Amino acid sequence: DAGVIQSPRHEVTEMGQEVTLRCKPISGHDYLFWYRQTMMRGLELLIYFNNNVPIDDSGMPEDRFSAKMPNASFSTLKIQPSEPRDSAVYFCASSPGLGKTQYFGPGTRLLVL
Amino acid sequence: QQQVKQSPQSLIVQKGGIPIINCAYENTAFDYFPWYQQFPGKGPALLIAIRPDVSEKKEGRFTISFNKSAKQFSLHIMDSQPGDSATYFCAASGGSNYKLTFGKGTLLTVNP
Repeated sequence: DAGVIQSPRHEVTEMGQEVTLRCKPISGHDYLFWYRQTMMRGLELLIYFNNNVPIDDSGMPEDRFSAKMPNASFSTLKIQPSEPRDSAVYFCASSPGLGKTQYFGPGTRLLVL
Repeated sequence: QQQVKQSPQSLIVQKGGIPIINCAYENTAFDYFPWYQQFPGKGPALLIAIRPDVSEKKEGRFTISFNKSAKQFSLHIMDSQPGDSATYFCAASGGSNYKLTFGKGTLLTVNP
């Protein structure tokens, strides 16, 4: 298995633009997680899905952030409009179950100018 | 409120040394305590994990020590190598949901 796949790996955009991050989880994993990593706040869970259904989005910072999982093999995290404080590394992770190992993707490094 | 406190923020040891990274948690419902290792430009990867029914778990050169009464757990790396240089995160989960709560991370540098 190729592991969790994320795209793009790097994204540079200007404030106010829409940003879409993509994730393909490991096949057969029922759980998908979106995290944000910054120096100040560390790794923060934004939202997670179970069987394509959003279960907990309490970590989503504000309405500018939205996430979808239209099928078991694809998820998106969208920021609209983007702001400089959204600059961070965004990770997607998948897991075969809660309380089991989470497998992280390589991350998307986002810079909002 | 930070639920998992990790220390130190950074650590430098010589090759062969035994770095120790400590974590403390508050939520007594936590019952799963993994450690993740992250190399620059990569995502975190599970290194070793422990559940509170044991006080110690060893996998190769990596050992977790767990103190349930003190609500603390730590990672020891025996005979550390330059290739162990990475950021290490402790985490915890349990209770009504199994969201992982991560510590802030420890940047470990092992000098040759």
